Amino acid sequence: DVKVTQSSRYLVKRTGEKVFLECVQDMDHENMFWYRQDPGLGLRLIYFSYDVKMKEKGDIPEGYSVSREKKERFSLILESASTNQTSMYLCASSLPLNNQPQHFGDGTRLSIL
Amino acid sequence: AQSVTQLGSHVSVSEGALVLLRCNYSSSVPPYLFWYVQYPNQGLQLLLKYTTGATLVKGINGFEAEFKKSETSFHLTKPSAHMSDAAEYFCAVSYRDDKIIFGKGTRLHILP
Repeated sequence: DVKVTQSSRYLVKRTGEKVFLECVQDMDHENMFWYRQDPGLGLRLIYFSYDVKMKEKGDIPEGYSVSREKKERFSLILESASTNQTSMYLCASSLPLNNQPQHFGDGTRLSIL
Repeated sequence: AQSVTQLGSHVSVSEGALVLLRCNYSSSVPPYLFWYVQYPNQGLQLLLKYTTGATLVKGINGFEAEFKKSETSFHLTKPSAHMSDAAEYFCAVSYRDDKIIFGKGTRLHILP
Protein backbone atom coordinates (compact mmCIF):
# COMPACT_ATOMS: atom_id res chain seq x y z
CA ASP A 1 0.00 0.00 0.00
CA VAL A 2 1.03 3.56 -0.65
CA LYS A 3 2.18 5.36 2.44
CA VAL A 4 2.10 9.13 2.62
CA THR A 5 3.53 10.46 5.86
CA GLN A 6 3.11 13.96 7.16
CA SER A 7 5.64 14.93 9.77
CA SER A 8 3.23 16.38 12.34
CA ARG A 9 -0.41 15.65 13.18
CA TYR A 10 -0.80 18.83 15.23
CA LEU A 11 1.25 22.00 15.14
CA VAL A 12 0.91 25.32 16.95
CA LYS A 13 2.88 28.34 15.74
CA ARG A 14 2.84 32.09 16.24
CA THR A 15 1.99 34.84 13.81
CA GLY A 16 4.99 35.83 11.71
CA GLU A 17 6.86 32.56 12.14
CA LYS A 18 8.19 30.62 9.16
CA VAL A 19 6.49 27.24 9.20
CA PHE A 20 7.57 24.05 7.43
CA LEU A 21 5.19 21.15 6.78
CA GLU A 22 6.87 18.01 5.53
CA CYS A 23 5.43 15.17 3.47
CA VAL A 24 7.10 11.93 2.40
CA GLN A 25 5.73 9.18 0.13
CA ASP A 26 7.19 5.73 -0.35
CA MET A 27 5.76 4.66 -3.72
CA ASP A 28 7.99 6.56 -6.14
CA HIS A 29 5.08 8.72 -7.30
CA GLU A 30 5.92 11.55 -9.65
CA ASN A 31 3.05 13.79 -8.55
CA MET A 32 2.67 15.38 -5.14
CA PHE A 33 0.09 17.86 -3.90
CA TRP A 34 -0.64 20.15 -0.97
CA TYR A 35 -4.22 21.02 -0.03
CA ARG A 36 -5.84 22.90 2.77
CA GLN A 37 -9.19 21.80 4.11
CA ASP A 38 -11.63 24.16 5.80
CA PRO A 39 -15.20 23.49 6.94
CA GLY A 40 -17.70 24.14 4.16
CA LEU A 41 -14.98 24.80 1.59
CA GLY A 42 -13.78 21.27 0.91
CA LEU A 43 -10.23 20.76 -0.32
CA ARG A 44 -8.43 23.58 -2.03
CA LEU A 45 -5.22 23.00 -3.94
CA ILE A 46 -2.28 25.13 -2.81
CA TYR A 47 0.61 23.79 -4.91
CA PHE A 48 1.50 20.66 -6.79
CA SER A 49 4.62 19.16 -8.29
CA TYR A 50 5.05 16.86 -11.27
CA ASP A 51 8.68 16.07 -10.67
CA VAL A 52 11.72 16.96 -8.64
CA LYS A 53 12.35 20.71 -8.56
CA MET A 54 9.14 21.32 -10.50
CA LYS A 55 6.19 23.12 -8.96
CA GLU A 56 3.01 24.76 -10.11
CA LYS A 57 0.57 27.02 -8.34
CA GLY A 58 -2.81 25.68 -7.43
CA ASP A 59 -5.92 27.67 -6.61
CA ILE A 60 -4.72 29.40 -3.43
CA PRO A 61 -0.91 29.77 -3.48
CA GLU A 62 -0.73 33.19 -1.82
CA GLY A 63 1.30 33.13 1.38
CA TYR A 64 2.77 29.70 0.64
CA SER A 65 5.77 28.25 -1.14
CA VAL A 66 6.95 24.68 -1.72
CA SER A 67 10.14 22.74 -2.16
CA ARG A 68 10.78 19.41 -3.84
CA GLU A 69 14.46 18.54 -3.77
CA LYS A 70 13.90 14.77 -3.72
CA LYS A 71 11.21 12.75 -5.44
CA GLU A 72 9.78 11.34 -2.23
CA ARG A 73 9.59 14.60 -0.28
CA PHE A 74 7.40 17.64 -0.78
CA SER A 75 7.54 20.50 1.70
CA LEU A 76 5.02 23.29 2.22
CA ILE A 77 6.38 26.55 3.61
CA LEU A 78 4.41 29.34 5.22
CA GLU A 79 6.79 32.26 4.79
CA SER A 80 5.21 34.42 7.52
CA ALA A 81 2.36 32.63 9.21
CA SER A 82 -0.91 34.46 9.71
CA THR A 83 -4.01 33.53 11.67
CA ASN A 84 -6.01 32.97 8.48
CA GLN A 85 -3.69 30.09 7.67
CA THR A 86 -5.03 28.10 10.60
CA SER A 87 -6.36 25.00 8.88
CA MET A 88 -6.00 21.29 8.18
CA TYR A 89 -3.27 20.66 5.61
CA LEU A 90 -3.31 17.50 3.52
CA CYS A 91 -0.54 16.09 1.36
CA ALA A 92 -1.19 13.64 -1.46
CA SER A 93 0.72 11.76 -4.13
CA SER A 94 -0.19 9.98 -7.35
CA LEU A 95 1.12 8.42 -10.52
CA PRO A 96 1.23 10.74 -13.55
CA LEU A 97 -1.98 9.51 -15.13
CA ASN A 98 -5.41 11.15 -15.14
CA ASN A 99 -7.16 7.95 -14.15
CA GLN A 100 -5.07 7.34 -11.08
CA PRO A 101 -6.33 8.34 -7.64
CA GLN A 102 -4.43 10.47 -5.20
CA HIS A 103 -3.20 8.92 -1.96
CA PHE A 104 -3.40 11.08 1.14
CA GLY A 105 -1.52 11.48 4.36
CA ASP A 106 -3.35 11.84 7.69
CA GLY A 107 -3.09 15.61 7.65
CA THR A 108 -1.50 18.28 9.81
CA ARG A 109 -3.84 20.43 11.88
CA LEU A 110 -2.04 23.77 12.07
CA SER A 111 -3.01 26.52 14.50
CA ILE A 112 -1.51 29.99 14.16
CA LEU A 113 -1.84 32.07 17.32
CA ALA B 1 -14.73 25.68 -15.58
CA GLN B 2 -15.17 22.13 -14.42
CA SER B 3 -16.97 21.67 -11.15
CA VAL B 4 -18.32 19.02 -8.82
CA THR B 5 -21.52 19.47 -6.85
CA GLN B 6 -22.46 17.36 -3.88
CA LEU B 7 -26.07 17.82 -2.89
CA GLY B 8 -26.41 18.22 0.85
CA SER B 9 -23.56 19.10 3.17
CA HIS B 10 -25.13 16.85 5.84
CA VAL B 11 -27.14 13.67 5.35
CA SER B 12 -28.69 11.61 8.14
CA VAL B 13 -29.89 8.02 7.77
CA SER B 14 -30.98 5.40 10.24
CA GLU B 15 -28.81 2.39 10.87
CA GLY B 16 -29.81 -0.32 8.39
CA ALA B 17 -31.34 2.15 5.92
CA LEU B 18 -30.18 2.93 2.39
CA VAL B 19 -27.38 5.44 2.03
CA LEU B 20 -27.53 7.74 -1.01
CA LEU B 21 -25.01 10.53 -1.46
CA ARG B 22 -25.41 12.62 -4.59
CA CYS B 23 -22.70 13.92 -6.88
CA ASN B 24 -23.02 15.79 -10.17
CA TYR B 25 -20.21 17.07 -12.32
CA SER B 26 -20.00 19.54 -15.15
CA SER B 27 -18.06 18.44 -18.16
CA SER B 28 -18.22 18.28 -21.91
CA VAL B 29 -15.89 15.30 -21.95
CA PRO B 30 -16.12 12.08 -19.94
CA PRO B 31 -14.24 12.46 -16.70
CA TYR B 32 -12.60 10.02 -14.37
CA LEU B 33 -14.61 9.87 -11.15
CA PHE B 34 -13.73 9.07 -7.56
CA TRP B 35 -15.35 8.84 -4.14
CA TYR B 36 -13.23 9.32 -1.03
CA VAL B 37 -14.10 8.92 2.64
CA GLN B 38 -12.58 10.85 5.53
CA TYR B 39 -12.92 9.64 9.11
CA PRO B 40 -12.32 12.15 11.93
CA ASN B 41 -8.74 13.36 12.20
CA GLN B 42 -7.62 11.31 9.23
CA GLY B 43 -6.76 11.91 5.61
CA LEU B 44 -8.90 10.90 2.65
CA GLN B 45 -9.19 7.24 1.72
CA LEU B 46 -10.25 6.06 -1.72
CA LEU B 47 -13.64 4.29 -1.69
CA LEU B 48 -13.99 3.60 -5.40
CA LYS B 49 -13.21 4.97 -8.83
CA TYR B 50 -14.67 4.96 -12.33
CA THR B 51 -12.31 5.20 -15.27
CA THR B 52 -13.73 3.18 -18.18
CA GLY B 53 -15.86 0.11 -18.71
CA ALA B 54 -18.72 -0.96 -16.47
CA THR B 55 -20.69 2.02 -15.22
CA LEU B 56 -21.58 0.39 -11.89
CA VAL B 57 -18.51 0.43 -9.71
CA LYS B 58 -18.10 -1.46 -6.47
CA GLY B 59 -15.86 -0.17 -3.72
CA ILE B 60 -14.78 -0.97 -0.22
CA ASN B 61 -17.07 -1.31 2.81
CA GLY B 62 -20.09 -2.28 0.67
CA PHE B 63 -20.34 1.02 -1.21
CA GLU B 64 -21.01 1.32 -4.92
CA ALA B 65 -21.58 4.11 -7.41
CA GLU B 66 -23.07 4.35 -10.86
CA PHE B 67 -21.77 6.59 -13.62
CA LYS B 68 -24.67 8.06 -15.60
CA LYS B 69 -23.34 10.09 -18.49
CA SER B 70 -26.76 11.41 -19.54
CA GLU B 71 -27.33 12.81 -16.05
CA THR B 72 -23.67 13.77 -15.43
CA SER B 73 -24.00 12.02 -12.09
CA PHE B 74 -21.99 9.62 -9.97
CA HIS B 75 -24.11 8.95 -6.88
CA LEU B 76 -22.78 6.81 -4.04
CA THR B 77 -24.98 4.16 -2.43
CA LYS B 78 -24.90 1.49 0.22
CA PRO B 79 -27.90 -0.79 0.84
CA SER B 80 -27.66 -0.85 4.63
CA ALA B 81 -25.97 1.82 6.73
CA HIS B 82 -23.74 0.90 9.63
CA MET B 83 -22.68 3.11 12.51
CA SER B 84 -19.08 2.85 11.29
CA ASP B 85 -20.09 4.59 8.03
CA ALA B 86 -20.36 7.92 9.82
CA ALA B 87 -17.75 10.10 8.10
CA GLU B 88 -17.35 12.79 5.48
CA TYR B 89 -17.54 11.75 1.85
CA PHE B 90 -15.99 13.55 -1.09
CA CYS B 91 -16.79 13.15 -4.75
CA ALA B 92 -13.97 14.06 -7.14
CA VAL B 93 -13.33 14.27 -10.86
CA SER B 94 -10.20 14.26 -12.97
CA TYR B 95 -9.97 15.61 -16.50
CA ARG B 96 -6.37 16.47 -17.37
CA ASP B 97 -3.08 17.63 -15.93
CA ASP B 98 -3.33 14.94 -13.25
CA LYS B 99 -5.26 17.30 -11.01
CA ILE B 100 -8.43 16.27 -9.21
CA ILE B 101 -11.33 18.58 -8.49
CA PHE B 102 -13.09 17.80 -5.22
CA GLY B 103 -16.64 18.49 -4.16
CA LYS B 104 -17.21 20.29 -0.88
CA GLY B 105 -18.08 17.08 0.91
CA THR B 106 -21.11 15.49 2.54
CA ARG B 107 -21.06 14.55 6.20
CA LEU B 108 -22.98 11.33 6.77
CA HIS B 109 -24.66 10.86 10.15
CA ILE B 110 -25.98 7.46 11.18
CA LEU B 111 -28.93 7.46 13.58
CA PRO B 112 -29.30 4.50 15.96
